[in-house]
Amino acid sequence: DAKTTQPNSMESNEEEPVHLPCNHSTISGTDYIHWYRQLPSQGPEYVIHGLTSNVNNRMASLAIAEDRKSSTLILHRATLRDAAVYYCILRDGGTGTASKLTFGTGTRLQVTL
Amino acid sequence: DTGVSQDPRHKITKRGQNVTFRCDPISEHNRLYWYRQTLGQGPEFLTYFQNEAQLEKSRLLSDRFSAERPKGSFSTLEIQRTEQGDSAMYLCASSQGPGVGYGYTFGSGTRLTVV
Repeated sequence: DAKTTQPNSMESNEEEPVHLPCNHSTISGTDYIHWYRQLPSQGPEYVIHGLTSNVNNRMASLAIAEDRKSSTLILHRATLRDAAVYYCILRDGGTGTASKLTFGTGTRLQVTL
Repeated sequence: DTGVSQDPRHKITKRGQNVTFRCDPISEHNRLYWYRQTLGQGPEFLTYFQNEAQLEKSRLLSDRFSAERPKGSFSTLEIQRTEQGDSAMYLCASSQGPGVGYGYTFGSGTRLTVV
């Protein structure tokens, strides 16, 4: 699986937007970019995924660079409940069966009042 | 449906004892995954099932570990002769299918402490 690089930690103020970066310079054409997050004492939860175009859902937005070598997860208004570890993961979707999720160490997001 | 359920939430055992964890996936999900997570690290893949068939096992899954999914519904993960290095959070996840559009739904995990 292609590797991703994320900052170890980031801080944000509540109700401010948060941009979480992810570098994936060796991404292949069939790799989808997935984001999961893990709240304290819970299992990871799906946030969003995309291939080439930017994506929006109720939780977040995903902005994908034109060359696909980097992406950014955007939380539009951070709340204290968004404090979590955020994982950027590449999944090969080239065949009908996608590769399994392979987690790195992620970015720990701290949200302060 | 209440999501993926794992039991127990916490388990403390003495070194050398056997332990078994249970995972109940979302009912219509045919894929089931086991992961292990130690402090400060992301989850590490252990094994996964498509219905009752175990399709892949990680090298992390030593001979002391065995997983089953007998009727393609719930799954169990057994660790024999536990060692202190087995102390970790054991996470179960399920997905509806193999395609990239199917996300994983994780349970809250079983935290194992070997003393």
